[in-house]
Amino acid sequence: KAGVTQTPRYLIKTRGQQVTLSCSPISGHRSVSWYQQTPGQGLQFLFEYFSETQRNKGNFPGRFSGRQFSNSRSEMNVSTLELGDSALYLCASSVGLAYYNEQFFGPGTRLTVL
Amino acid sequence: AQTVTQSQPEMSVQEAETVTLSCTYDTSESDYYLFWYKQPPSRQMILVIRQEAYKQQNATENRFSVNFQKAAKSFSLKISDSQLGDAAMYFCAYRSGDTDKLIFGTGTRLQVFP
Repeated sequence: KAGVTQTPRYLIKTRGQQVTLSCSPISGHRSVSWYQQTPGQGLQFLFEYFSETQRNKGNFPGRFSGRQFSNSRSEMNVSTLELGDSALYLCASSVGLAYYNEQFFGPGTRLTVL
Repeated sequence: AQTVTQSQPEMSVQEAETVTLSCTYDTSESDYYLFWYKQPPSRQMILVIRQEAYKQQNATENRFSVNFQKAAKSFSLKISDSQLGDAAMYFCAYRSGDTDKLIFGTGTRLQVFP
């Protein structure tokens, strides 16, 4: 079974631009979560989606948005990029809302903002 | 709000020896799960071990075991017979019972020397 895939793996943008990152969960998984990983702030939760509905949102500005499609694939968008948005963005998927969910992480998208 | 603290930024161990990584957390919830994740230099996050708060028995997965002290809100990871492949960043994480949102500690970088 294929794992969680994230595209693109690497991205370079300039300040003020916008970017869209994609995450394809493991087949059959309906829950997708996103995390931002930086050396200074560590791993921080961005969003959680289940069946196309956002269940939780982390403490990030409105420039960060996301969505989930009917096939469970998810995208996150960052508008008006800032230097501080440079980070590794990780996506994780799980089967669903079962209490004993195990989350599987993708390899991440490395975003560099110049 | 829930918090997770890892007080050891770096640890080192000799191959075949045992090492313990510390983690404390703070919560007022009764239904939660605790996890240790491993992030090797390739960056793919892997679940090492998990513990349900309602279970008194400490979780064990082969060479990995935890010491879960619920009253003290402590969740340490013991790695026995350390191997070179155990070298990685280790993150302690907390999850409420009704969500997939993970709250991570700052991580402990484990070095394994031959």
